[in-house]
Amino acid sequence: AQSVAQPEDQVNVAEGNPLTVKCTYSVSGNPYLFWYVQYPNRGLQFLLKYITGDNLVKGSYGFEAEFNKSQTSFHLKKPSALVSDSALYFCAFQGGGGSYIPTFGRGTSLIVHP
Amino acid sequence: DTGVSQDPRHKITKRGQNVTFRCDPISEHNRLYWYRQTLGQGPEFLTYFQNEAQLEKSRLLSDRFSAERPKGSFSTLEIQRTEQGDSAMYLCASSPSGVYNEQFFGPGTRLTVL
Repeated sequence: AQSVAQPEDQVNVAEGNPLTVKCTYSVSGNPYLFWYVQYPNRGLQFLLKYITGDNLVKGSYGFEAEFNKSQTSFHLKKPSALVSDSALYFCAFQGGGGSYIPTFGRGTSLIVHP
Repeated sequence: DTGVSQDPRHKITKRGQNVTFRCDPISEHNRLYWYRQTLGQGPEFLTYFQNEAQLEKSRLLSDRFSAERPKGSFSTLEIQRTEQGDSAMYLCASSPSGVYNEQFFGPGTRLTVL
């Protein structure tokens, strides 16, 4: 079955340090990959996506993600974390294998300590 | 504000009652999605519409769940004979046509079944 995995339930990082939130996928074909963020008591917001082309994609709020086809990963990164980045992050895919059903990971809670 | 709106934001009902949720998408978006989200999980796809056509409904959780988008604008999600296990956050999202497009989410409707 096609799936996306976020292996870490929680990531802790100090403010100013780089952060990485991991995502791996198991999808046939060429899926479209997305990252969304959910702040407390707010709806999910789009951060960035990989469609094709350059493996490094840049998104909102200084976030970027690297698509690695050989490792089937799409890790979210930011060079310098802010306390305000603390939120729930979801990796998702659409397309691939003839399916158009969006599939989300279970989410990773990012906590940035002052 | 021209984002996705959902009504009501909170619904408390007794087991066995029927409930209906409304979603108003971004006006120019053709696609509309419904998801269920429970604590500690990512959004779980339920169904989606392309304009007024419901293109995928096999993931609706049971025959107690139904959705409509009669004029290709707003949509409703109905749950008949609610059960305690239906307690969750129900999310609506919209997007332009195309599986490569990101989704815009509403704030969700939190359902509590007593």
